[in-house]
Amino acid sequence: NAGVTQTPKFRILKIGQSMTLQCTQDMNHNYMYWYRQDPGMGLKLIYYSVGAGITDKGEVPNGYNVSRSTTEDFPLRLELAAPSQTSVYFCASSRQTGYEKLFFGSGTQLSVL
Amino acid sequence: DQQVKQNSPSLSVQEGRISILNCDYTNSMFDYFLWYKKYPAEGPTFLISISSIKDKNEDGRFTVFLNKSAKHLSLHIVPSQPGDSAVYFCAASAGNNNDMRFGAGTRLTVKP
Repeated sequence: NAGVTQTPKFRILKIGQSMTLQCTQDMNHNYMYWYRQDPGMGLKLIYYSVGAGITDKGEVPNGYNVSRSTTEDFPLRLELAAPSQTSVYFCASSRQTGYEKLFFGSGTQLSVL
Repeated sequence: DQQVKQNSPSLSVQEGRISILNCDYTNSMFDYFLWYKKYPAEGPTFLISISSIKDKNEDGRFTVFLNKSAKHLSLHIVPSQPGDSAVYFCAASAGNNNDMRFGAGTRLTVKP
């Protein structure tokens, strides 16, 4: 009963490096989301997807890219990492688009130095 | 724009007593509210929700109260248990999960 699985759990990047945060869910949910959480702040939506092949920007999309080639996977790409991208990243999914709880992964702690 | 605010970063209560966590929102379009619980090194997990057509929703030891005129909701935990020690996030949406906004969280510590 895996739910939403994120890898890696921790990562340290140097400024300017790139990386992909992986997210997969086994609940057959169409809706998937990427959030970041900064200290003392609420979760902020980076990108979301309403189904395979369809993605859209959230509140804080700059510096990130996503793709959704399958229902299960929703990777988040960081290009040219910057210290401002140091954060905890959470992937989530939901069965419906609204009036619905989100299922979260366990998070990726990313530091950009 | 902090549309959802949890003004208490932390709360400490004695085991067996009531825990009351508060949340305020500014967007009058919000009509669905949720509480999530988060343990260290884990993702948030859903706890309880309420829609704007209700003013109270109860699930076991957890009750959420909604005061629409004050744009305020609260989570009551009775009785509090040490296993309830976690960070609690309030969230609100206006019908679409991509509009969901989260508070900064309140760290609850329940002392034995």
